[in-house]
Amino acid sequence: AAGVIQSPRHLIKEKRETATLKCYPIPRHDTVYWYQQGPGQDPQFLISFYEKMQSDKGSIPDRFSAQQFSDYHSELNMSSLELGDSALYFCASSTAYQETQYFGPGTRLLVL
Amino acid sequence: AQSVTQLGSHVSVSEGALVLLRCNYSSSVPPYLFWYVQYPNQGLQLLLKYTSAATLVKGINGFEAEFKKSETSFHLTKPSAHMSDAAEYFCALNQAGTALIFGKGTTLSVSS
Repeated sequence: AAGVIQSPRHLIKEKRETATLKCYPIPRHDTVYWYQQGPGQDPQFLISFYEKMQSDKGSIPDRFSAQQFSDYHSELNMSSLELGDSALYFCASSTAYQETQYFGPGTRLLVL
Repeated sequence: AQSVTQLGSHVSVSEGALVLLRCNYSSSVPPYLFWYVQYPNQGLQLLLKYTSAATLVKGINGFEAEFKKSETSFHLTKPSAHMSDAAEYFCALNQAGTALIFGKGTTLSVSS
């Protein structure tokens, strides 16, 4: 069965640079969630989209933005990167108003 | 506010022994409850979920969990641990269509 695809899988950036993470949900899933997992931490919710509209917002820094496109894939844009942004970024997809979320393999971002 | 508490950040068992990972939740409305497993440098894999259909839920790899409303608990068990069960386990909850709230995680170590 098709799963959630995230790219790139690994990313190394310098401080103050920008990064774009991409997420391709499971086919026919219209809802996407982004989570950030710091080293040794639990995943923290950043932002979610339903039918290309932002549906909820969590602890996402103002330096980050995201959107969902017409094909339902989503991109997380991160600017002015800081050392503390080094983390594993997960995307999860779901269908509307369903409880179960399916996670992608994550993008590991390292900011130097 | 909703929250998840996992008792014990680290649990060690011998191969063949019972695995018990504890999870308590707080929610003003009936939640959906999940257990996810994360192997080193990998994504989050859904082990099992409680959606009110049955209080005893069976998942993959021989794991099961029992929902106890009176104790606000959703503990994860496996009768006989395997070396391959060594991983990080996260308990989580949500309402339909909303972000997951995770516990801090429990690292399971299995010794031979």
